[in-house]
Amino acid sequence: SYELTQPPSVSVSPGQTARITCSGDALPKKFAYWYQQKSGQAPVLVIYEDSKRPSGIPERFSGSSSGTMATLTISGPQVEDEADYYCYSTDSSGIHWVFGGGTKLTVL
Amino acid sequence: EVQLVESGGGLVQPGRSLRLSCTASGFTFGDYAMSWVRQAPGKGLEWVGFIRSKAYGGTTEYAASVKGRFTISRDDSKSFAYLQMNSLKTEDTAVYFCTRVITQWLPPRSYFDSWGQGTLVTVSS
Repeated sequence: SYELTQPPSVSVSPGQTARITCSGDALPKKFAYWYQQKSGQAPVLVIYEDSKRPSGIPERFSGSSSGTMATLTISGPQVEDEADYYCYSTDSSGIHWVFGGGTKLTVL
Repeated sequence: EVQLVESGGGLVQPGRSLRLSCTASGFTFGDYAMSWVRQAPGKGLEWVGFIRSKAYGGTTEYAASVKGRFTISRDDSKSFAYLQMNSLKTEDTAVYFCTRVITQWLPPRSYFDSWGQGTLVTVSS
């Protein structure tokens, strides 16, 4: 079965840049999406189609994808950005939809 | 404003069945595919399955972990989506989220743009 791999945790200081990676064999052909989930809440879409930002999402959130790896970048993360982040994509057939294991972002 | 509200969760014994409902408002329900995503306690998100809009046949796809046990259906006249869960196992214990799916073409792609707050299903004897 298809898998997306993320680091379990990332820690960063408020003035730094946080980068969360997601690797998957089909990513060269399929878009990556990123969801933010704060404790006890439903996930929220923060990046779609590799690098597009939905309305209402702060500009400090950006995304990129190259080869088999997609990256979510948070420039100057705020304490309010502490959350679990999940990448999402599909396998090469487009029928099986998959989430990465999630990355817990800590802003120290 | 898009709203999705799940209901029907609760405590159920292993091997029994349960049906979850998702009521939608704020958009033309029949124009969209709908999906269910679950999250076991303290774990990550897991896609369960989706149902296409009637325009694309209203057909379904499922994750391997639930295929043959779970069935997704829809009632466009009432703006409802359903998740029928049979032969439940303890590992099906999770919060189940209903999601709206954005489907686009050229190239084909689908993703979840709106989520409900979820309903908890606990499978235990």
